[in-house]
Amino acid sequence: DTEVTQTPKHLVMGMTNKKSLKCEQHMGHRAMYWYKQKAKKPPELMFVYSYEKLSINESVPSRFSPECPNSSLLNLHLHALQPEDSALYLCASSTSQGGDEQYFGPGTRLTVT
Amino acid sequence: RKEVEQDPGPFNVPEGATVAFNCTYSNSASQSFFWYRQDCRKEPKLLMSVYSSGNEDGRFTAQLNRASQYISLLIRDSKLSDSATYLCVVMDSSYKLIFGSGTRLLVRP
Repeated sequence: DTEVTQTPKHLVMGMTNKKSLKCEQHMGHRAMYWYKQKAKKPPELMFVYSYEKLSINESVPSRFSPECPNSSLLNLHLHALQPEDSALYLCASSTSQGGDEQYFGPGTRLTVT
Repeated sequence: RKEVEQDPGPFNVPEGATVAFNCTYSNSASQSFFWYRQDCRKEPKLLMSVYSSGNEDGRFTAQLNRASQYISLLIRDSKLSDSATYLCVVMDSSYKLIFGSGTRLLVRP
């Protein structure tokens, strides 16, 4: 089973709101990722967690705050977003960081108003 | 120069046709190579990893040429359900996935 789940599927939030995106996998993967994808563009890496520790932060603005509570869960906390942050946010996981295929969740489609 | 380059297409082919996509990458230290497909407003789904010896999965064949830094994907006997965007993906030496911009395939009846 190569399933990564994400909630919510859709989210509309104002620029002053605080919200969280959630991602879960039960494949025993030890690397988890957040990507952002704008329309007609490829996914862009935001964060990588390896063994529950932040491994890569691609210079993402601090209004995005990742959290990895345990090996199965990955959250992305959102605060004071801008309309240009509207995008599809994808979570992915792999057995380890490097050398392995990544499996993507269905994404959360975020609209910032 | 982009790290991973693909022809954006679209490739418009009839059912049953054979179609080939090409991709080039700029970093010779790249570690691993993949093809993903992405349907409109959906997540990327792994189609296949690409090995130096080439690999085949049913109607799909992938080839890697490290010397030329070139990856290809061949689809035989195209089906309507093959219509999607095909993403060439390269893992760099920092274990990050670098995505090409994708090649759009339209298979018509």
